[in-house]
Amino acid sequence: AQSVTQPDIHITVSEGASLELRCNYSYGATPYLFWYVQSPGQGLQLLLKYFSGDTLVQGIKGFEAEFKRSQSSFNLRKPSVHWSDAAEYFCACMNSGGYQKVTFGTGTKLQVIP
Amino acid sequence: DAGVIQSPRHEVTEMGQEVTLRCKPISGHNSLFWYRQTMMRGLELLIYFNNNVPIDDSGMPEDRFSAKMPNASFSTLKIQPSEPRDSAVYFCASRPERLAREWSHEQFFGPGTRLTVL
Repeated sequence: AQSVTQPDIHITVSEGASLELRCNYSYGATPYLFWYVQSPGQGLQLLLKYFSGDTLVQGIKGFEAEFKRSQSSFNLRKPSVHWSDAAEYFCACMNSGGYQKVTFGTGTKLQVIP
Repeated sequence: DAGVIQSPRHEVTEMGQEVTLRCKPISGHNSLFWYRQTMMRGLELLIYFNNNVPIDDSGMPEDRFSAKMPNASFSTLKIQPSEPRDSAVYFCASRPERLAREWSHEQFFGPGTRLTVL
């Protein structure tokens, strides 16, 4: 069964600093990978996705993520964090064949300090 | 497009009462998902419908939970009887059917229903 691990439950960064949120997946083949963001009191919104091709994918709000097959990772990055980026971030994995079930990680809560 | 619509946004009820949560997916989307989110367990998939048919209900906690999708534009999640441990935020999400590799497979989430069972 596929699984997603986000090892950091909570991260605090200063506004303007760079950000990297970690995500590791477990799946037999190459999965489809996603990052979602959840603002307080809201549903989840897609930031970016990886299906195939270029392993560095660009998303909305200045975020990017890099798929590294050798490390089974799909880390999310942003060069300069804004206060409005404070939210919870979820990595997700979907199997690429058959029933396309999506498995979410447990989330990383990002706090941005002035 | 109004997005995925869920009602009610908040529900407070007493233990033993029946609770019904409602979801209207985005028009044209063929897949619908119900999730539960808690601090302890994170985001859990409860059930997945495709073309109104339940495909995977392995996440439904127990017989007290039931879900229906009578047509393409409406789904319900019912808890009967409710218990305090059911307190959570319940999300509904919809996804367009995969027709080509270009489709995004993105799930569109509703704003959620915050359920409190006293």
